[in-house]
Amino acid sequence: QKEVEQNSGPLSVPEGAIASLNCTYSDRGSQSFFWYRQYSGKSPELIMFIYSNGDKEDGRFTAQLNKASQYVSLLIRDSQPSDSATYLCAVNNEGSNYQLIWGAGTKLIIKP
Amino acid sequence: EAQVTQNPRYLITVTGKKLTVTCSQNMNHEYMSWYRQDPGLGLRQIYYSMNVEVTDKGDVPEGYKVSRKEKRNFPLILESPSPNQTSLYFCASSPQPLETQYFGPGTRLLVL
Repeated sequence: QKEVEQNSGPLSVPEGAIASLNCTYSDRGSQSFFWYRQYSGKSPELIMFIYSNGDKEDGRFTAQLNKASQYVSLLIRDSQPSDSATYLCAVNNEGSNYQLIWGAGTKLIIKP
Repeated sequence: EAQVTQNPRYLITVTGKKLTVTCSQNMNHEYMSWYRQDPGLGLRQIYYSMNVEVTDKGDVPEGYKVSRKEKRNFPLILESPSPNQTSLYFCASSPQPLETQYFGPGTRLLVL
């Protein structure tokens, strides 16, 4: 059974600090990695995606891939209270071109 | 405004009473998908559709049906709902399967 695992949290980070979220995946052939943010009572929305060929930075957000250890990280610099949400990791299912495997999410709390 | 809409947003029903949750997108996306979200389990895919008249099972299809007669609509049908189908349901669409998915606002279903 292919899996994506995330620490459920909550992860508590002081405002202005760096929040580091991790996601491990079991499918060694996965090549597409997505981070979605979900505010309480709302639907998921995409923050970033990366492919197996490299890391990516977008504003305060950086996604990093460690293929050897099979995990992907999301770093949030200068954390703001508005970053408080659940962060979902999704990874493509190498056995299917049409499906993602989702983690259960990490709840992040930014303390003012 | 580009969006995915779902109706109803909240539904309480009884075991065995057939129901349909509608989903519509106005972005001309090829790919549409239904997920259920349960605490601690993350998003699990129920069914997906690559295009009109093309649908396939996701990870948890039992007890559900779908149809894709038009590109914009992808209704989810529960022929005989049971209490274990109590969940939060999301419809999503994307241009292609592994591109950014846009989620509807969610439908919270309670089956008594």
